[in-house]
This record gives sequence, structure tokens and C-alpha cells, in this order.
Amino acid sequence: QKEVEQDPGPLSVPEGAIVSLNCTYSNSAFQYFMWYRQYSRKGPELLMYTYSSGNKEDGRFTAQVDKSSKYISLFIRDSQPSDSATYLCAMSASDSNYQLIWGAGTKLIIKP
Amino acid sequence: DADVTQTPRNRITKTGKRIMLECSQTKGHDRMYWYRQDPGLGLRLIYYSFDVKDINKGEISDGYSVSRQAQAKFSLSLESAIPNQTALYFCATSDPGQSGYTFGSGTRLTVV
Repeated sequence: QKEVEQDPGPLSVPEGAIVSLNCTYSNSAFQYFMWYRQYSRKGPELLMYTYSSGNKEDGRFTAQVDKSSKYISLFIRDSQPSDSATYLCAMSASDSNYQLIWGAGTKLIIKP
Repeated sequence: DADVTQTPRNRITKTGKRIMLECSQTKGHDRMYWYRQDPGLGLRLIYYSFDVKDINKGEISDGYSVSRQAQAKFSLSLESAIPNQTALYFCATSDPGQSGYTFGSGTRLTVV
């Protein structure tokens, strides 16, 4: 079993919909949780970063961490075609030198 | 100029050839990483370096070697390329804190 599980999709939704992307993990030591966005033929770029449990909002994006359930989510409101990309979750812990452990990524398609 | 520059962007090589992928960064970070990305498998860590004198194997280092020539430069070599090394290769850099990784645009390598 992988340390971080993420549904590869693809997830296809109409423009304007609310999108929910999720990851589950097994290591309770993880403290730092990130979401990266990767466009085709580009490197991943950091989208959201959260420490420990709770929510963080940035414009149309909300990151949510539930450490008790070992579950993290990324919500995208008012989705746009330009949000079409692969979204990767990543997480780390201080006892492993903050090295990121990655999900496989979910491909998201927003239909105009 | 990009924070992380990878060369070449694309490369086709023959089985058995030696090939080097180069990476340079202008972030001033000590930590650098090499990943490969395959469809459905996500990002897999090949090698990482926490400073110029520190080199560590990742989960899939067999068939690869690295050289950290300076704080800003980290190169990846395939000593004798084989077809299953066909993949997208990414270099990344980070600081010791939790500000996330900065990735290059990747090298698409095809071994025929």
C-alpha cells in the first residue's frame, strides 16, 4: 500500500462547478500538506500549503486537512477551463527531513 | 529567467548510450532533487542532495548517477540508457523549511 493514495481520474466537470479533489495517507507523522498543479508538459507548481489540521482559503481554492481521518481535500469553486490540469497532493514530516511524499495526481478536465 | 532550468527539453537517444541531463537553479537553495514521472505512477524520486557534499539515493536510483557540481547545479546521468528509462524527468529545489519545491520544466527523454 502506498503512503499516499490519490485517484488518478480523469475527473471531468462542467465549467462553474465545484470541484473536490482528495488524498488519503497512512503516516500519522505527516504535518505539512501541499497541493501542486501541473499543466501538460510543465513542471508542478505549488498551489496551496497547509500545516496540520484545518482549512486554508486562497481565492477560489480551499485546502482542507483532517488528520484524524488522514484525509486531505482541495476544493475549487467556480471552476474554469484554465483549471484543467493534473493536481498532485504532497506531504511531509519533520522526522523524515521534510521530504515530500507524493500522490500520483488527479487529472482534472473542466468542460466549457 | 526561470528559477530552475533544465537542459535539454527533449532528447531521443539509443539503447546503451550515456546521457546527461543538466539542472541549474537561481533560488539559492541548498536542496536539489531529481524525479522521473511516468503516467499513472506519479513522481518518483531518483536522487537528492541536501548540500554540495551530500548525495542520497531515492527510491529508484538503479541505472542512474548524479553529480552536484555547485550549490546551483545538479546533473543526472544515465550510464547506459535502456528503453524503460523513457520518461519525463524533473529537477526541483527547496529550502530546509516548508516553502515547497520549485520545479524545472522537465526533460522528455526517449530511449529507442
